[in-house]
Amino acid sequence: SQQGEEDPQALSIQEGENATMNCSYKTSINNLQWYRQNSGRGLVHLILIRSNEREKHSGRLRVTLDTSKKSSSLLITASRAADTASYFCATPLGNMLTFGGGTRLMVKP
Amino acid sequence: NAGVTQTPKFQVLKTGQSMTLQCAQDMNHNSMYWYRQDPGMGLRLIYYSASEGTTDKGEVPNGYNVSRLNKREFSLRLESAAPSQTSVYFCASSEAGGPYGYTFGSGTRLTVV
Repeated sequence: SQQGEEDPQALSIQEGENATMNCSYKTSINNLQWYRQNSGRGLVHLILIRSNEREKHSGRLRVTLDTSKKSSSLLITASRAADTASYFCATPLGNMLTFGGGTRLMVKP
Repeated sequence: NAGVTQTPKFQVLKTGQSMTLQCAQDMNHNSMYWYRQDPGMGLRLIYYSASEGTTDKGEVPNGYNVSRLNKREFSLRLESAAPSQTSVYFCASSEAGGPYGYTFGSGTRLTVV
């Protein structure tokens, strides 16, 4: 059972533009995480936001969390070709961390 | 480099064959996990081990067994492989049994013919 779903499924932008990905989830959570996966590689943890936080920054990443709407967004500013990857949100469900289907981001040079 | 190491990276099996996927972490994490990733499905949890000596089923455990050999190693066994088990398998580990940022291995691409 997927707890989170990302939107859009795919996104194509030009280098230098901002990229926004959204995640919706179903049940109450105490944190939400974002991961990046480069083609053919494992997932890399990007950022964790707790349920009592509304916004968090890490370098060019900005994550927001709206627990009333059960949604989160990941903003990548001033994108680079190296940001081309799939991005997943993940939420705890009991002892498990569940992942959405991901957003495939392509950044064109 | 510290992290999670999976072996093998690629494997082709015939239907009915068995194999074990190996995973080791050197970060002294308590918890370890096995996921499978299929196109368009995201990652689905097969089994996890919250601490050494314990294992629990995840979302899709059928057809698999696991062994937490020690704190570092967590193996996944396919006793009788089926084409439906063709997938990319990822091992992950985390601290303290809680889902606060997982470290993933680079994956095993398994094809069952």
